[in-house]
Amino acid sequence: AQSVSQHNHHVILSEAASLELGCNYSYGGTVNLFWYVQYPGQHLQLLLKYFSGDPLVKGIKGFEAEFIKSKFSFNLRKPSVQWSDTAEYFCAVRGNNRLAFGKGNQVVVIP
Amino acid sequence: EAGVAQSPRYKIIEKRQSVAFWCNPISGHATLYWYQQILGQGPKLLIQFQNNGVVDDSQLPKDRFSAERLKGVDSTLKIQPAKLEDSAVYLCASSRDQGTEAFFGQGTRLTVV
Repeated sequence: AQSVSQHNHHVILSEAASLELGCNYSYGGTVNLFWYVQYPGQHLQLLLKYFSGDPLVKGIKGFEAEFIKSKFSFNLRKPSVQWSDTAEYFCAVRGNNRLAFGKGNQVVVIP
Repeated sequence: EAGVAQSPRYKIIEKRQSVAFWCNPISGHATLYWYQQILGQGPKLLIQFQNNGVVDDSQLPKDRFSAERLKGVDSTLKIQPAKLEDSAVYLCASSRDQGTEAFFGQGTRLTVV
């Protein structure tokens, strides 16, 4: 079964700063990769996904992620964050039809 | 398009009692998932259905947890008897099939006292 690692569980940054969240997974087969976001009081929503093709994927709200197969990584980036990006971010990996999540990153953006 | 519906939103029970959660997935979605999310952790898959068949229940504590999706549409998750460590948010999600993105409901927050 695959496992998903997310580091730096708590991230605090100021508006306009750049954000990068790391995600590494362990699974040797074909994977689908996702980043989900959970805003305060809301349910998990899909930010972006990678199934195949261009390893640099763009999602909603200016987020992007890059799949690096050799590093088993799928890091999330945003060049300039806003206060409304305060949320918890989860990396998820589907392998062998099982969708597994990382522990999440709690991101707080200070105005 | 209606989203994944879950009820109740909140539940408080005493240990050793039983509890049931209900989920209605998005119409037409064949795959249904139940996840447990303990505070400070990521969602952990409990059980995954494809239509009314179980695909993966390897992390379901079968001595106390059970789930069914009899007609391949809505699903119930039951805990009997509950323990203090079962306090968590129980998330239901659905996807069109096993290879597509999952959509999540609001979750049921269970507190066992």
